[in-house]
Amino acid sequence: QKEVEQDPGPLSVPEGAIVSLNCTYSNSAFQYFMWYRQYSRKGPELLMYTYSSGNKEDGRFTAQVDKSSKYISLFIRDSQPSDSATYLCALSGSARQLTFGSGTQLTVLP
Amino acid sequence: EAQVTQNPRYLITVTGKKLTVTCSQNMNHEYMSWYRQDPGLGLRQIYYSMNVEVTDKGDVPEGYKVSRKEKRNFPLILESPSPNQTSLYFCASSFGENTEAFFGQGTRLTVV
Repeated sequence: QKEVEQDPGPLSVPEGAIVSLNCTYSNSAFQYFMWYRQYSRKGPELLMYTYSSGNKEDGRFTAQVDKSSKYISLFIRDSQPSDSATYLCALSGSARQLTFGSGTQLTVLP
Repeated sequence: EAQVTQNPRYLITVTGKKLTVTCSQNMNHEYMSWYRQDPGLGLRQIYYSMNVEVTDKGDVPEGYKVSRKEKRNFPLILESPSPNQTSLYFCASSFGENTEAFFGQGTRLTVV
């Protein structure tokens, strides 16, 4: 079993839709939860960072963490074509740094 | 500009021919890592380094070597590349464990 499982997608939504991206994990040692966004032919860039259960909001993006269920989500409101990218959840809890999910490719259609 | 620089961006090589992918960061970060990205498998850590002369294996270290002689540089060495090492490689750096990782632009390696 992988330490981090991410809904594989791909996901295609119309502009303005609410998008939900999800990951589950098995290792209770993970204490830090991140979402990275990766545009085609680019390296990943940090989008959201949280270390506690609950919600964290940043503009149109909300990161949600439920440590008891070992479940994390990223919600995108009013999605835009510029949000089209691959989204990777990343978890950390040790000096090995980050363990990534396999990524979900999102396309927002104008 | 704060950045992680990898070279080359694209490389095609033959089986068994030693190669090095360079990585340099200008942010004075302690931590550096190498990842490979393959379809359906996401990013998998190859090696990481917590400081100069301190390196350790990640999830998929077989067939790779690294060195950290200077804080800013973390080269990835493939002594005898094989076709199963064809992949997209990313170098990353961060201030410390559990902090934001900054990624390079990637190196697409093809081994024939």
